[in-house]
Amino acid sequence: DTEVTQTPKHLVMGMTNKKSLKCEQHMGHRAMYWYKQKAKKPPELMFVYSYEKLSINESVPSRFSPECPNSSLLNLHLHALQPEDSALYLCASSLLAGVSTDTQYFGPGTRLTVL
Amino acid sequence: GQNIDQPTEMTATEGAIVQINCTYQTSGFNGLFWYQQHAGEAPTFLSYNVLDGLEEKGRFSSFLSRSKGYSYLLLKELQMKDSASYLCAVTDSNYQLIWGAGTKLIIKP
Repeated sequence: DTEVTQTPKHLVMGMTNKKSLKCEQHMGHRAMYWYKQKAKKPPELMFVYSYEKLSINESVPSRFSPECPNSSLLNLHLHALQPEDSALYLCASSLLAGVSTDTQYFGPGTRLTVL
Repeated sequence: GQNIDQPTEMTATEGAIVQINCTYQTSGFNGLFWYQQHAGEAPTFLSYNVLDGLEEKGRFSSFLSRSKGYSYLLLKELQMKDSASYLCAVTDSNYQLIWGAGTKLIIKP
């Protein structure tokens, strides 16, 4: 099973709202990732968790706050977002982080619209 | 700097063969991935190359030349469902995935 699940599938929020994106995998992977993808662009790495610890934060604004409650779950808390944050948010996982051969498996994404 | 180049768009005919090229200049090299992404969906893994040569997997094959910083994805017996973007990504010396902008492949009947 190479499934990564994400909820919700679509999210519309105002700039003053607080919402959370959720990601789950049961493949025993110890690395989990958040990416942001704009239309016709490649995914942009936001955060990497390795063994439930934040290992990479690619200078993401503090209005995005990741959380890894356990090895299977990854959340992205959103607060005071801007319209330019509207994008497809992708979660991915791999067996380990920092290993060249490890394939990242992606969830279906959350389509976020900020009004 | 890190740079991965792919053609922006390609068109091919159903049943034909198409080759999508990818050239890269990265700080180190620890492997190259090809992903397929249908519009509005997540990328799905197609292939991984770390040694020079051709990897074949059904209708899809991927080739790597490390000395030339070059890879290609070969799709045979094209089907309409192959219409998608194809993303080339390189793992650099820090084991980070560096993504190309993707090639949009349009299949015509």
